[in-house]
Amino acid sequence: AQRVTQPEKLLSVFKGAPVELKCNYSYSGSPELFWYVQYSRQRLQLLLRHISRESIKGFTADLNKGETSFHLKKPFAQEEDSAMYYCAIRGNTGKLIFGQGTTLQVKP
Amino acid sequence: DTGVSQDPRHKITKRGQNVTFRCDPISEHNRLYWYRQTLGQGPEFLTYFQNEAQLEKSRLLSDRFSAERPKGSFSTLEIQRTEQGDSAMYLCASNLAGYTDTQYFGPGTRLTVL
Repeated sequence: AQRVTQPEKLLSVFKGAPVELKCNYSYSGSPELFWYVQYSRQRLQLLLRHISRESIKGFTADLNKGETSFHLKKPFAQEEDSAMYYCAIRGNTGKLIFGQGTTLQVKP
Repeated sequence: DTGVSQDPRHKITKRGQNVTFRCDPISEHNRLYWYRQTLGQGPEFLTYFQNEAQLEKSRLLSDRFSAERPKGSFSTLEIQRTEQGDSAMYLCASNLAGYTDTQYFGPGTRLTVL
């Protein structure tokens, strides 16, 4: 079955601390993975996707097929990073399968 | 604003009533998706259209739910005989298949069934 697991509901860090939001997936075939972010009172928006290998707003994510993980990382958290983060996998028909989400709280 | 729009943004209804939501995708996008999000959960796929054809429906979509995209542009999602368990945020997303996989989301319609 295709599934995405985000084990942490809440991650609270201080400004300037490193951040790692965990994501594990199960999928048969070649997965396409995404991180979406939802800031307060805003719509869900794409943060990054693994095939582009970009760094967006200082965030990176590496696909580890051996561990079936796609953890999101940032070396130095900023207060404006506080948001809800969703890991998602693209299913074989194009639909997205989301994890439960992790709330990132960056304290001053 | 040329993004995905949804109407209404909020809907409060009584159990047993019918409700209809509308989604207007980005104009050139040929795929349109509906998702449902309940409190504390990530969005869950309901159904999607390519142009006017409904190509997939989730098992979450009971017989009380119906979706249409009659001219391949906007879409409607209707829930008949609403139940309290239907209370959720209903999200619409669109993309241009074959060009970009990135799905662009609307602001959602929050449904409360009393």
